[in-house]
Amino acid sequence: DTGVSQDPRHKITKRGQNVTFRCDPISEHNRLYWYRQTLGQGPEFLTYFQNEAQLEKSRLLSDRFSAERPKGSFSTLEIQRTEQGDSAMYLCASSPSGSSYNEQFFGPGTRLTVL
Amino acid sequence: DQQVKQNSPSLSVQEGRISILNCDYTNSMFDYFLWYKKYPAEGPTFLISISSIKDKNEDGRFTVFLNKSAKHLSLHIVPSQPGDSAVYFCAASEFGATNKLIFGTGTLLAVQP
Repeated sequence: DTGVSQDPRHKITKRGQNVTFRCDPISEHNRLYWYRQTLGQGPEFLTYFQNEAQLEKSRLLSDRFSAERPKGSFSTLEIQRTEQGDSAMYLCASSPSGSSYNEQFFGPGTRLTVL
Repeated sequence: DQQVKQNSPSLSVQEGRISILNCDYTNSMFDYFLWYKKYPAEGPTFLISISSIKDKNEDGRFTVFLNKSAKHLSLHIVPSQPGDSAVYFCAASEFGATNKLIFGTGTLLAVQP
């Protein structure tokens, strides 16, 4: 399977704990995106990487959130001191570079539940 | 401030008939529009897209129409099949460095056998 993969698929944690999610993009896709989706809403942009450089962060990404993409391959999204409002589906997407290419390919998501 | 709007939360269609899903946007700087399909517990799957320089794009049973003056696009599915039952998201991107997507809230399509 050469699609975008995410791990874990589900995470249940207690309020105040830290969690980390991983995303493996499609090989050779140098653009990587994180989105968050809550019930009844569409995915909302969180952050964008071009290779290893984090080039844009949404104001939704509070100081408790940090994302990395070392070596421009896989990416991690960490949430510190989780709150109940962080409960959502966290989606990762990747795409090749090139101004004419806009389609993004999504992984299955990580569903986070904060108790 | 919802820049991409899907005003119909749900749509029910008979198998074999046409499904028409609608989307409106407010940002005139959007230059690319996409439709994604999502099943429960899965990530969105890309369906079809259209550049702002076109008014129609067709791929098999799926056709997307863009009316720039009205800031409106629609997805037509003909003929509709029970396997098309899913949530459909309209998304838009603005030309720039990131091509981040702005999504609507989705329309749940139910195709009745």
